[in-house]
Formats: sequence, C-alpha cells, structure tokens
Amino acid sequence: SAVISQKPSRDICQRGTSLTIQCQVDSQVTMMFWYRQQPGQSLTLIATANQGSEATYESGFVIDKFPISRPNLTFSTLTVSNMSPEDSSIYLCSVEGLGTGSDGYTFGSGTRLTVV
Amino acid sequence: GNSVTQMEGPVTLSEEAFLTINCTYTATGYPSLFWYVQYPGEGLQLLLKATKADDKGSNKGFEATYRKETTSFHLEKGSVQVSDSAVYFCALSLTGGGNKLTFGTGTQLKVEL
Repeated sequence: SAVISQKPSRDICQRGTSLTIQCQVDSQVTMMFWYRQQPGQSLTLIATANQGSEATYESGFVIDKFPISRPNLTFSTLTVSNMSPEDSSIYLCSVEGLGTGSDGYTFGSGTRLTVV
Repeated sequence: GNSVTQMEGPVTLSEEAFLTINCTYTATGYPSLFWYVQYPGEGLQLLLKATKADDKGSNKGFEATYRKETTSFHLEKGSVQVSDSAVYFCALSLTGGGNKLTFGTGTQLKVEL
C-alpha cells in the first residue's frame, strides 16, 4: 500500500490565521481525500482532490474556507483559512489503495490542530 | 444515501474477554466494508476488509464477516489484550474505485488487566 507523509503533525494557531497542511504520497494516485475528525467524533470527508481539476467539496465545506491544491499526482495541500476555535480538529489525508478502492485506503498520520 | 451505524462506546473489557463491536450499513450499491483502528495519538490504520457478501476479513486475531442479508459487518475477537485498546471505525465504500469512505461514529475499546 502507499506511504503517506503528512505535515505538520500538530500545530497551535491563533484565531484568524491560516494553516496549510501538506500531504506527500510515495506513488502516483489519481484521487486524494481530505478528512476532518473533530474531538471525540468520526471522520468527515471535506473534499476530494483530483490532479488537474478543482477539488470536489462535500456539503458544508467551501473552497474559501478550505482551499486545496493538487499540483501533481503525489502531492496535495489543504489550507484551513481564517481559523476559529471550532476548527480545532485532526485533519487527515487519504489515498485509495493501489488497484481499486476495495484494497482499502491509506491515511496519513494526521495533523492535530488547536486554534486558540 | 450511504451510512454506517456502530454500537456506541466506550466498551470496557477485561483482558482475554470476547469482543464484539456491532456495525450495520445502508448502501445504494454493493459496498466494500472495512474496519479501521486508531490507537491513542496515532492515525487510522486499516485493520481488515471484505469486498463481497460472505467474505470474512481477518487480521491480528480480529474477524468480521460481510453479511448481506443482515447488512452487517460485526467485528469480533476471541481474546482481547490491553494493547487492543483503541477506537475502532467501521466504514464502507462503493466498489469501482475512487469513491470516498463513509465512516461510522467509532467505538472506543478499553481493555483492562
């Protein structure tokens, strides 16, 4: 399965600022997924990032708040903009296993964000 | 739409006890089913998966059988250890590749000596 490097692993940020999270995969993948895990809750998909096109956002998430870049098939960034304490969460990137989705999905180790 | 329902936690067991974490799903097609585990302070790891009805996924002593008739994928382990303490997530994705995962709410397992 793919290996994903995600950074930063954690950060404490002031409200009103922005944080960019990077996700590097060791192989080329078509789709990359960004999830949010709020404290004590399950994972919620923010958006799907395709190389060469705009990201597809899930209901409740907008590009102005969570801009995503996907410059090539091994890299993506998620920015959390104009942060508030409600954005304190773990953010994870994920890719589909090599082959088909039935192989399972690999996750980065996550970015634990605290907004103060 | 697609959804996953898990039993609520936390589940607290003594070491060597039998574990069952219930998971049922609703899907518009024929999903693949997964169990992910999140150990304290770590990211998600795939524990096991099943891609079609009656398949049994297994790993590290954990098992789950894809039951189409009951739309279930319950996680079981015959004898839990303290090191199994973690949050367990049931998830599904529709076959065909490139589809997102839909997660259950997660079940926290605490195993005590």
